[in-house]
Amino acid sequence: GENVEQHPSTLSVQEGDSAVIKCTYSDSASNYFPWYKQELGKGPQLIIDIRSNVGEKKDQRIAVTLNKTAKHFSLHITETQPEDSAVYFCAASIGHTPLVFGKGTRLSVIA
Amino acid sequence: DAGVIQSPRHEVTEMGQEVTLRCKPISGHDYLFWYRQTMMRGLELLIYFNNNVPIDDSGMPEDRFSAKMPNASFSTLKIQPSEPRDSAVYFCASSRNWQAELFFGEGSRLTVL
Repeated sequence: GENVEQHPSTLSVQEGDSAVIKCTYSDSASNYFPWYKQELGKGPQLIIDIRSNVGEKKDQRIAVTLNKTAKHFSLHITETQPEDSAVYFCAASIGHTPLVFGKGTRLSVIA
Repeated sequence: DAGVIQSPRHEVTEMGQEVTLRCKPISGHDYLFWYRQTMMRGLELLIYFNNNVPIDDSGMPEDRFSAKMPNASFSTLKIQPSEPRDSAVYFCASSRNWQAELFFGEGSRLTVL
Protein backbone atom coordinates (compact mmCIF):
# COMPACT_ATOMS: atom_id res chain seq x y z
CA GLY A 1 0.00 0.00 0.00
CA GLU A 2 0.84 3.66 -0.10
CA ASN A 3 3.49 5.01 2.26
CA VAL A 4 3.98 8.73 2.93
CA GLU A 5 7.15 10.11 4.50
CA GLN A 6 7.17 13.68 5.81
CA HIS A 7 10.14 15.90 6.74
CA PRO A 8 11.09 17.62 8.91
CA SER A 9 9.22 16.51 12.02
CA THR A 10 9.78 19.91 13.64
CA LEU A 11 10.52 23.27 12.08
CA SER A 12 11.17 26.65 13.68
CA VAL A 13 11.24 29.85 11.64
CA GLN A 14 11.36 33.53 12.37
CA GLU A 15 8.21 35.48 11.72
CA GLY A 16 8.25 36.72 8.15
CA ASP A 17 10.49 33.95 6.87
CA SER A 18 9.36 31.10 4.62
CA ALA A 19 8.71 27.52 5.70
CA VAL A 20 8.94 24.44 3.50
CA ILE A 21 7.68 20.97 4.38
CA LYS A 22 8.39 18.02 2.11
CA CYS A 23 6.66 14.69 1.58
CA THR A 24 7.45 11.66 -0.52
CA TYR A 25 5.04 8.93 -1.52
CA SER A 26 5.62 5.40 -2.70
CA ASP A 27 2.81 4.57 -5.12
CA SER A 28 3.13 6.25 -8.51
CA ALA A 29 -0.62 5.76 -9.01
CA SER A 30 -1.43 8.28 -6.25
CA ASN A 31 -3.32 11.19 -7.71
CA TYR A 32 -4.58 13.34 -4.84
CA PHE A 33 -2.35 15.23 -2.36
CA PRO A 34 -3.96 17.37 0.35
CA TRP A 35 -2.36 19.26 3.22
CA TYR A 36 -4.02 19.58 6.60
CA LYS A 37 -3.29 21.95 9.47
CA GLN A 38 -3.98 20.90 13.04
CA GLU A 39 -4.12 23.47 15.81
CA LEU A 40 -3.81 22.49 19.43
CA GLY A 41 -6.86 20.65 20.72
CA LYS A 42 -8.60 20.59 17.35
CA GLY A 43 -9.04 18.26 14.43
CA PRO A 44 -7.02 18.67 11.23
CA GLN A 45 -8.35 21.14 8.68
CA LEU A 46 -7.70 21.16 4.93
CA ILE A 47 -5.62 24.13 3.83
CA ILE A 48 -4.75 23.24 0.24
CA ASP A 49 -4.75 20.26 -2.08
CA ILE A 50 -3.38 19.34 -5.48
CA ARG A 51 -4.20 16.66 -8.01
CA SER A 52 -1.76 14.83 -10.20
CA ASN A 53 -2.62 16.74 -13.36
CA VAL A 54 -1.29 19.96 -11.83
CA GLY A 55 2.30 20.83 -10.90
CA GLU A 56 1.71 23.79 -8.60
CA LYS A 57 -1.14 25.49 -6.82
CA LYS A 58 -1.19 28.72 -4.81
CA ASP A 59 -3.59 30.23 -2.32
CA GLN A 60 -2.36 33.54 -0.91
CA ARG A 61 0.71 32.75 1.25
CA ILE A 62 0.43 29.01 0.77
CA ALA A 63 1.60 26.99 -2.23
CA VAL A 64 2.00 23.31 -2.98
CA THR A 65 4.25 21.82 -5.63
CA LEU A 66 4.13 18.30 -7.02
CA ASN A 67 6.89 16.37 -8.76
CA LYS A 68 5.32 13.17 -10.08
CA THR A 69 8.57 11.82 -11.50
CA ALA A 70 10.33 12.03 -8.16
CA LYS A 71 7.14 11.21 -6.23
CA HIS A 72 7.36 14.12 -3.87
CA PHE A 73 5.31 17.17 -3.04
CA SER A 74 5.98 20.18 -0.86
CA LEU A 75 4.12 22.82 1.10
CA HIS A 76 5.49 26.36 1.00
CA ILE A 77 4.34 29.04 3.43
CA THR A 78 5.67 32.55 2.79
CA GLU A 79 5.72 35.52 5.15
CA THR A 80 5.01 33.28 8.12
CA GLN A 81 2.95 34.64 11.00
CA PRO A 82 2.55 33.39 14.59
CA GLU A 83 -0.90 32.01 13.72
CA ASP A 84 0.78 29.65 11.24
CA SER A 85 2.20 27.74 14.23
CA ALA A 86 0.54 24.30 14.16
CA VAL A 87 1.11 20.72 13.08
CA TYR A 88 0.91 20.19 9.32
CA PHE A 89 0.09 16.85 7.70
CA CYS A 90 0.54 15.83 4.11
CA ALA A 91 -1.46 12.96 2.66
CA ALA A 92 -1.78 10.97 -0.54
CA SER A 93 -4.34 8.68 -2.07
CA ILE A 94 -4.95 6.62 -5.15
CA GLY A 95 -8.41 6.87 -6.68
CA HIS A 96 -9.85 3.84 -4.91
CA THR A 97 -8.06 4.01 -1.56
CA PRO A 98 -8.41 6.32 1.43
CA LEU A 99 -5.89 8.98 2.36
CA VAL A 100 -2.60 7.93 3.91
CA PHE A 101 -1.17 10.65 6.14
CA GLY A 102 2.42 11.58 6.87
CA LYS A 103 3.53 11.73 10.51
CA GLY A 104 3.23 15.49 10.68
CA THR A 105 5.49 18.55 11.02
CA ARG A 106 5.28 20.79 14.05
CA LEU A 107 5.85 24.34 12.80
CA SER A 108 6.76 27.06 15.28
CA VAL A 109 6.83 30.66 14.09
CA ILE A 110 8.92 32.78 16.44
CA ALA A 111 7.86 36.39 16.77
CA ASP B 1 -23.82 23.60 9.67
CA ALA B 2 -22.35 22.74 13.06
CA GLY B 3 -19.59 20.58 11.61
CA VAL B 4 -18.71 17.06 12.72
CA ILE B 5 -19.71 16.55 16.33
CA GLN B 6 -17.95 14.05 18.56
CA SER B 7 -18.62 12.99 22.11
CA PRO B 8 -17.29 12.69 24.67
CA ARG B 9 -14.39 15.14 24.31
CA HIS B 10 -12.52 13.45 27.10
CA GLU B 11 -12.88 10.00 28.58
CA VAL B 12 -10.88 8.47 31.39
CA THR B 13 -11.59 4.85 32.15
CA GLU B 14 -10.00 1.83 33.73
CA MET B 15 -8.57 -1.13 31.88
CA GLY B 16 -11.24 -3.67 31.03
CA GLN B 17 -14.08 -1.19 30.80
CA GLU B 18 -16.16 -0.66 27.68
CA VAL B 19 -15.71 2.64 25.85
CA THR B 20 -18.16 4.08 23.32
CA LEU B 21 -17.25 7.08 21.20
CA ARG B 22 -19.93 8.87 19.20
CA CYS B 23 -19.96 10.90 16.00
CA LYS B 24 -22.50 12.96 14.12
CA PRO B 25 -21.24 13.68 10.58
CA ILE B 26 -22.14 16.69 8.48
CA SER B 27 -25.51 16.28 6.84
CA GLY B 28 -25.27 15.22 3.21
CA HIS B 29 -21.82 13.71 3.53
CA ASP B 30 -21.66 10.21 2.12
CA TYR B 31 -18.38 9.12 3.74
CA LEU B 32 -17.49 8.75 7.39
CA PHE B 33 -14.03 7.91 8.70
CA TRP B 34 -12.69 6.97 12.13
CA TYR B 35 -9.02 7.84 12.80
CA ARG B 36 -6.78 7.30 15.80
CA GLN B 37 -3.96 9.74 16.55
CA THR B 38 -0.93 9.00 18.71
CA MET B 39 2.51 10.55 18.89
CA MET B 40 4.18 7.34 17.79
CA ARG B 41 1.91 6.31 14.93
CA GLY B 42 0.41 9.59 13.77
CA LEU B 43 -3.04 9.53 12.15
CA GLU B 44 -4.20 5.99 11.49
CA LEU B 45 -7.38 5.14 9.62
CA LEU B 46 -9.39 2.60 11.56
CA ILE B 47 -12.50 2.17 9.41
CA TYR B 48 -14.64 4.06 6.93
CA PHE B 49 -18.24 3.93 5.80
CA ASN B 50 -19.94 4.86 2.54
CA ASN B 51 -23.68 5.53 2.79
CA ASN B 52 -23.70 3.88 6.22
CA VAL B 53 -22.04 0.68 4.94
CA PRO B 54 -18.61 -0.30 6.33
CA ILE B 55 -16.22 -0.46 3.40
CA ASP B 56 -12.80 -1.10 4.88
CA ASP B 57 -12.10 -2.05 8.48
CA SER B 58 -8.57 -3.34 7.92
CA GLY B 59 -7.21 -0.62 10.17
CA MET B 60 -9.15 -1.79 13.21
CA PRO B 61 -6.37 -3.07 15.45
CA GLU B 62 -8.15 -5.95 17.14
CA ASP B 63 -11.50 -7.61 17.63
CA ARG B 64 -11.88 -5.47 20.72
CA PHE B 65 -12.69 -2.60 18.37
CA SER B 66 -16.01 -2.34 16.56
CA ALA B 67 -17.81 0.43 14.70
CA LYS B 68 -21.35 0.93 13.55
CA MET B 69 -23.30 3.44 11.53
CA PRO B 70 -27.00 2.71 12.04
CA ASN B 71 -28.06 5.77 10.03
CA ALA B 72 -26.64 8.66 8.05
CA SER B 73 -26.38 10.94 11.07
CA PHE B 74 -24.74 8.76 13.70
CA SER B 75 -21.79 6.45 14.16
CA THR B 76 -20.15 4.78 17.15
CA LEU B 77 -16.73 3.34 17.80
CA LYS B 78 -16.65 0.84 20.64
CA ILE B 79 -13.70 -0.66 22.48
CA GLN B 80 -14.44 -3.64 24.68
CA PRO B 81 -12.47 -4.39 26.78
CA SER B 82 -10.26 -1.31 26.79
CA GLU B 83 -6.51 -1.48 27.42
CA PRO B 84 -3.94 1.21 28.32
CA ARG B 85 -2.44 1.03 24.81
CA ASP B 86 -5.76 2.23 23.43
CA SER B 87 -5.08 5.65 24.94
CA ALA B 88 -5.15 8.11 22.05
CA VAL B 89 -7.21 10.83 20.43
CA TYR B 90 -9.93 9.38 18.23
CA PHE B 91 -11.20 11.51 15.37
CA CYS B 92 -14.27 11.16 13.27
CA ALA B 93 -14.31 12.83 9.84
CA SER B 94 -16.82 13.06 7.04
CA SER B 95 -16.67 14.04 3.39
CA ARG B 96 -19.20 14.68 0.67
CA ASN B 97 -17.45 12.64 -1.98
CA TRP B 98 -14.42 10.43 -2.46
CA GLN B 99 -11.18 12.41 -2.53
CA ALA B 100 -13.05 15.46 -1.29
CA GLU B 101 -12.22 17.60 1.72
CA LEU B 102 -12.31 15.73 5.01
CA PHE B 103 -14.06 17.58 7.82
CA PHE B 104 -12.76 16.43 11.18
CA GLY B 105 -14.46 16.63 14.53
CA GLU B 106 -12.57 17.97 17.53
CA GLY B 107 -11.70 14.47 18.66
CA SER B 108 -12.27 12.31 21.72
CA ARG B 109 -9.25 12.01 23.99
CA LEU B 110 -9.29 8.57 25.60
CA THR B 111 -7.16 7.66 28.58
CA VAL B 112 -7.23 4.06 29.79
CA LEU B 113 -5.62 3.58 33.19
